[in-house]
Amino acid sequence: GESVGLHLPTLSVQEGDNSIINCAYSNSASDYFIWYKQESGKGPQFIIDIRSNMDKRQGQRVTVLLNKTVKHLSLQIAATQPGDSAVYFCAENINTGFQKLVFGTGTRLLVSP
Amino acid sequence: DVKVTQSSRYLVKRTGEKVFLECVQDMDHENMFWYRQDPGLGLRLIYFSYDVKMKEKGDIPEGYSVSREKKERFSLILESASTNQTSMYLCASFLQGHNSPLHFGNGTRLTVT
Repeated sequence: GESVGLHLPTLSVQEGDNSIINCAYSNSASDYFIWYKQESGKGPQFIIDIRSNMDKRQGQRVTVLLNKTVKHLSLQIAATQPGDSAVYFCAENINTGFQKLVFGTGTRLLVSP
Repeated sequence: DVKVTQSSRYLVKRTGEKVFLECVQDMDHENMFWYRQDPGLGLRLIYFSYDVKMKEKGDIPEGYSVSREKKERFSLILESASTNQTSMYLCASFLQGHNSPLHFGNGTRLTVT
């Protein structure tokens, strides 16, 4: 399969554990944030988003937390499954008047059965 | 569900060839984007288009051009392929407006020899 990133930070967890993936964003004026999942050989898949007027948003088994004070975003995955193994990366909208997303380089999540 | 389709999953071209990468989306999205993805560098924006026949340079437009003759189709053109254009190319689209997620295709892995 394709390698999205050869030297990505890697988080290894056991099936059933909760996973937390972190992202530091760059621009204090960014007003919109997205988490993507990318499996080998596929394009990025939208997971969850959050606007800057919120600090937490929950989806199915996933929660995104936003800390604007320290410009930090996290993705929490509950009861991690082998199918969650992928590269996860965050994106911020740097709000130039036209939506322009800036992407992080990603974290590889490895889930062992 | 939004579907963004890239016509080729894998391409192998020779240095100096003209290369066309095609992308079609089926959700009537105004905005379309071309990114390249390289290990350790994340996604970098090449060109984008916010309407038919409109195009804007992204962060790394050199060596590329684009065409948007119809709303659903956005083509990336390498006028004279070079080995440093070997990469994963990702097309994406989103609906008009602010703060909505990009939807990606599955990518075209281009190798220039």
